[in-house]
Amino acid sequence: RKEVEQDPGPFNVPEGATVAFNCTYSNSASQSFFWYRQDCRKEPKLLMSVYSSGNEDGRFTAQLNRASQYISLLIRDSKLSDSATYLCVVNALAGGGNKLTFGTGTQLKVEL
Amino acid sequence: SQTIHQWPATLVQPVGSPLSLECTVEGTSNPNLYWYRQAAGRGLQLLFYSVGIGQISSEVPQNLSASRPQDRQFILSSKKLLLSDSGFYLCAWRAPLAGGPQADTQYFGPGTRLTVL
Repeated sequence: RKEVEQDPGPFNVPEGATVAFNCTYSNSASQSFFWYRQDCRKEPKLLMSVYSSGNEDGRFTAQLNRASQYISLLIRDSKLSDSATYLCVVNALAGGGNKLTFGTGTQLKVEL
Repeated sequence: SQTIHQWPATLVQPVGSPLSLECTVEGTSNPNLYWYRQAAGRGLQLLFYSVGIGQISSEVPQNLSASRPQDRQFILSSKKLLLSDSGFYLCAWRAPLAGGPQADTQYFGPGTRLTVL
């Protein structure tokens, strides 16, 4: 089983739509969770951290379900500029360095 | 504010040639530093990380090596490149704090796109 698993997509949605991405992780000891955004041929950039109680940042809502080891990202009122690959990221507690494990990403294409 | 630089931005090298990629961080002290590779259509693979000067941990056996000669400088090297070394190389930094999402967040440089022919 992959440490962090995501549906690769692509998700093709019209502008204004609501879209949700899911992610599962295998390490039950993980403590930190993130969504990163990666544009084509660019570096990943932090979109938001994911907190136990769930959190919202504008049109973006992240949820964490520790019992099911499941993370979600909801994007409301999609914009063309939201088109990117969304990476689910989980910290790996093993020795020093506090490593992060990245999913392979879910591709979103927002269309007119 | 903190910034992270990588160079070169793109590189085309023949098989068997040496490699040196550089990463520097500004605006922070004693950061944790990371080298990742992203092959075409694949996820990020952690190659090396460092918690301090001269301290390097290798994640994957390979013909690459890393060094940290200064606090905010991280170098990725190879003596002889292979075709399979092609990819997008990303350097990242993290604040040297313990625990929690804020501390665990990693910030990436712009990357070096390497093509080995």
